[in-house]
Amino acid sequence: AQSVSQHNHHVILSEAASLELGCNYSYGGTVNLFWYVQYPGQHLQLLLKYFSGDPLVKGIKGFEAEFIKSKFSFNLRKPSVQWSDTAEYFCAVKANAGNMLTFGGGTRLMVKP
Amino acid sequence: DGGITQSPKYLFRKEGQNVTLSCEQNLNHDAMYWYRQDPGQGLRLIYYSQIVNDFQKGDIAEGYSVSREKKESFPLTVTSAQKNPTAFYLCASSPQLAGGYNEQFFGPGTRLTVL
Repeated sequence: AQSVSQHNHHVILSEAASLELGCNYSYGGTVNLFWYVQYPGQHLQLLLKYFSGDPLVKGIKGFEAEFIKSKFSFNLRKPSVQWSDTAEYFCAVKANAGNMLTFGGGTRLMVKP
Repeated sequence: DGGITQSPKYLFRKEGQNVTLSCEQNLNHDAMYWYRQDPGQGLRLIYYSQIVNDFQKGDIAEGYSVSREKKESFPLTVTSAQKNPTAFYLCASSPQLAGGYNEQFFGPGTRLTVL
């Protein structure tokens, strides 16, 4: 069975700091990868996704993620965070041969103004 | 205005009672899902359905039941057999279940508290 690990459970940054959230998965086959974000009081929404092609994926609000197959990783990055990025971030993996999403435990990001 | 609606937003239940959470979508999606969200554990799949009148157990189906009588509706019943039902429940849907570039769209969630 596949699993997803997000090693940072809580991250606190000041505005303008750079962000990198780790995501590692365990599955040997082809995968589809996602980052979802849950802003306070709002729906879970898709931030970005990787299916194939360029391993560097651009998402909404200046976020990007890089798929490194050899490291089974899909880390989320943003060069300069804003207070409005305060949210919980979830990495998710879908085995290409399967149907289901497996989510990581989430990372709570707090950005101090 | 397309989307997924869940009701109620907050729900309180006494121990020993069954309770049903509503999920409706008007996105014409084939697949629907129920997740449970607990702090530090992310989202865990309870049940999913790829077509009307068909559904499959997810990773933590014990103590839950579902039905899919209509394409747009996928209610979840939390039964008294669920040992630790207090949680945040999220419903999702996607255009298709198997293959394709399908992403899941989520509802606003229902927070269930057992008193």
